[in-house]
Amino acid sequence: GENVEQHPSTLSVQEGDSAVIKCTYSDSASNYFPWYKQELGKRPQLIIDIRSNVGEKKDQRIAVTLNKTAKHFSLHITETQPEDSAVYFCAASIRTGANNLFFGTGTRLTVIP
Amino acid sequence: NAGVTQTPKFRVLKTGQSMTLLCAQDMNHEYMYWYRQDPGMGLRLIHYSVGEGTTAKGEVPDGYNVSRLKKQNFLLGLESAAPSQTSVYFCASIEGGRRNEQFFGPGTRLTVL
Repeated sequence: GENVEQHPSTLSVQEGDSAVIKCTYSDSASNYFPWYKQELGKRPQLIIDIRSNVGEKKDQRIAVTLNKTAKHFSLHITETQPEDSAVYFCAASIRTGANNLFFGTGTRLTVIP
Repeated sequence: NAGVTQTPKFRVLKTGQSMTLLCAQDMNHEYMYWYRQDPGMGLRLIHYSVGEGTTAKGEVPDGYNVSRLKKQNFLLGLESAAPSQTSVYFCASIEGGRRNEQFFGPGTRLTVL
């Protein structure tokens, strides 16, 4: 099955700086890559996703890039704010059949005021 | 519109006891999923369902059973709980077709003593 690796496991940045989280996947058939944000004690919530026919997608301060050849994708958060502090998960799936998501192990982002 | 709900929110079991976790969604979604979340391991898929009356195994199905007798409900059963099943359990659903966003429930924190 699919194997998704995520780095780093923890990340601390100063408020206003950028944060980058990277993921790799193993199954070349994967074609859907969502990113979830999970605050302490809460449920994961989708913040951005990208499909394999697109190389980059941006939504305000958040962007995701995808390199299909290298099988890696990254989350970029610019102008970080304290409310960005959370655990972020990447995932990969094949957008047919059961649409099962395979998650990375998470990155705990801390934004220091 | 409540989205995805889970019952109960917390539970403590003794080794060998049984219990059922209930997931309900009011969005008429076709696909439903059960995950467990453990520290440092992200979310792992236990079982899933692609429609009423269907279920299938995910990455970590051992020790769990599921049923989807009604489209809006997905039940996760533990027949004989073990301490290794101490975890936070999340249910999720997606509409299916071209819509892939997984909507998560609030989670159930289960402790097995």
